[in-house]
Amino acid sequence: QSVLTQPPSASGTPGQRVTISCSGSSSNIEVNAVNWYQHLPGTAPKLLIYSNNQRPSGVPDRFSGSKSGTSASLAISGLQSEDEADYYCAAWDDSLHGSVFGGGTKLTVL
Amino acid sequence: QVQLVQSGAEVKKPGASVKVSCKASGYIFSNFGIRWVRQAPGQGLEWMGWISAYNGDTNYAQKFQGRVTMTTDTSTTTAYMELRSLRYDDTGVYYCARDRGSTYGMDVWGKGTTVSVSS
Repeated sequence: QSVLTQPPSASGTPGQRVTISCSGSSSNIEVNAVNWYQHLPGTAPKLLIYSNNQRPSGVPDRFSGSKSGTSASLAISGLQSEDEADYYCAAWDDSLHGSVFGGGTKLTVL
Repeated sequence: QVQLVQSGAEVKKPGASVKVSCKASGYIFSNFGIRWVRQAPGQGLEWMGWISAYNGDTNYAQKFQGRVTMTTDTSTTTAYMELRSLRYDDTGVYYCARDRGSTYGMDVWGKGTTVSVSS
């Protein structure tokens, strides 16, 4: 089991808005920044959101992140077929003294 | 451009060791750390540990303590990850990534090195 909890799957149709949740605890999400990664099979993961809600240059503004308490969310608006990928949240855990990932959410664009 | 180039696929027997390299270019190597992340077949991403390219400080995930050693060679701007006493469940893809700190995330990733543990 992963320290951070994500739904295993999510889906939407082109143009829709989908959200992916990431649930943690007082030792990770509540007190540390959350980062999100997009991972297409066979490729290197890509940093999508850092510091809870910041987008690296080049990441479309269709992607947004938020955090409240011990949970975080990734929202994708105007869903596109190329958004079909696995999405992972990550944060530092003060109790484990290390980084932790969510189990990943497979996004399907119907 | 900023990139991390990893070494090629490896096939190892149980009990053996593997050493994966990660050559950095396009940035000042000592200004950033390197994190190692692995993905077992059908599984998610798993953080293995971190090394400072500035002074060699390391922080290993508890799961790998005693079996993993991360090093850097600043003369060749290369990071290394050695995993010993390999088991079948160590099979997977191993990634290195440039670390900007836990707040800012891993912004540049290598393409991954496949390690297969098989008798």
